Amino acid sequence: AQSVTQPDIHITVSEGASLELRCNYSYGATPYLFWYVQSPGQGLQLLLKYFSGDTLVQGIKGFEAEFKRSQSSFNLRKPSVHWSDAAEYFCAVGARETGTASKLTFGTGTRLQVTL
Amino acid sequence: EAGVVQSPRYKIIEKKQPVAFWCNPISGHNTLYWYRQNLGQGPELLIRYENEEAVDDSQLPKDRFSAERLKGVDSTLKIQPAELGDSAVYLCASSPGLVGEEEQFFGPGTRLTVL
Repeated sequence: AQSVTQPDIHITVSEGASLELRCNYSYGATPYLFWYVQSPGQGLQLLLKYFSGDTLVQGIKGFEAEFKRSQSSFNLRKPSVHWSDAAEYFCAVGARETGTASKLTFGTGTRLQVTL
Repeated sequence: EAGVVQSPRYKIIEKKQPVAFWCNPISGHNTLYWYRQNLGQGPELLIRYENEEAVDDSQLPKDRFSAERLKGVDSTLKIQPAELGDSAVYLCASSPGLVGEEEQFFGPGTRLTVL
């Protein structure tokens, strides 16, 4: 069974500073990987996804993530954080063997606080 | 394009009462999911539908939870009777269900409080 670990429960960064949110996964083969963002009272919005190919993935809102097979990681980065980025971020892994990424397993999330 | 619609947005009930949540997926999306998100946790899958067929309900507590997706469009998730531990946000998501289009689109959720 797949699993996801987000080691940081809460991160605080200053506006304009760089950001890296960590995600480690456990899965027997190459997984599908996702990052979602959730603002208070809202559903989850997809930031980016990795299925295959280039291991550096670009997403919306200036985010990117890098798939590192050797480290079983898929860390999310942004070079300059904006106050509007404050939210909860979830990493998720999808099972490949079904032929689709239908079965998603989410991490526990990292809450990002941005100080002005 | 309209997103995934859920209602109600908030529900407060007393334990042992029944409750139902409704979801309208994005038009044309064959796959529909119900997730439960406990406070401070990520979403956990309860059930997945491919059209009107429940293809994965292994995490659905079948003694008190039930779901249906008549005609393969809207879906309803029911809890009867509700317990204190059922307090959570219930999220509905949909996807096209096609290989290469696996992104799941989430609704805003229904926040359930059981007193």
